[in-house]
Amino acid sequence: AQKVTQAQTEISVVEKEDVTLDCVYETRDTTYYLFWYKQPPSGELVFLIRRNSFDEQNEISGRYSWNFQKSTSSFNFTITASQVVDSAVYFCALSEGIQGAQKLVFGQGTRLTINP
Amino acid sequence: EAGVTQFPSHSVIEKGQTVTLRCDPISGHDNLYWYRRVMGKEIKFLLHFVKESKQDESGMPNNRFLAERTGGTYSTLKVQPAELEDSGVYFCASSPEGMDQYFGPGTRLLVL
Repeated sequence: AQKVTQAQTEISVVEKEDVTLDCVYETRDTTYYLFWYKQPPSGELVFLIRRNSFDEQNEISGRYSWNFQKSTSSFNFTITASQVVDSAVYFCALSEGIQGAQKLVFGQGTRLTINP
Repeated sequence: EAGVTQFPSHSVIEKGQTVTLRCDPISGHDNLYWYRRVMGKEIKFLLHFVKESKQDESGMPNNRFLAERTGGTYSTLKVQPAELEDSGVYFCASSPEGMDQYFGPGTRLLVL
């Protein structure tokens, strides 16, 4: 069965600190996709990144970086030099299958608060 | 390009009443998904349309929930009769090829 665990319910840091959000997943498939979404106070879920199970290269996008490690079934998300606008709930998600047109299985979400 | 829109943004109803939620996907997106987040829990999949056909409805909790997507454009999700445990945020998402799903702002449903 598929499962995504985000053990950190809430994180609070001071602006400019680096912060890492953890995501651990379970799946029996060899082909799967991992996602991160951001939910700002306005409520919509904003797509941040998708990785497939065959690509373990880390990804960096500005202040955001993602560390995918199949050996530990983890897909962690780091924000460098955090800003107040990064405050949001962040969700990690998993979908299985080759095509990817599958349902997403979400973690419980991590509420990140960046204090000025 | 307009994003996924959902209507209403909020709904407060009494137990036993009927509520219909609407989702307008991004134009041209064949795949449409419904999810919901019950208070304090994770976001859970309800069902998936490809055009007007139900591809996967394994997440629908019971037969009080009815989803339609006539003509393969917008979709409605009806809850009849609503129960207290149906309260939560209902999200709709759409995708052109089923890879990246783009979410709407959600409908907050409160059943009293």
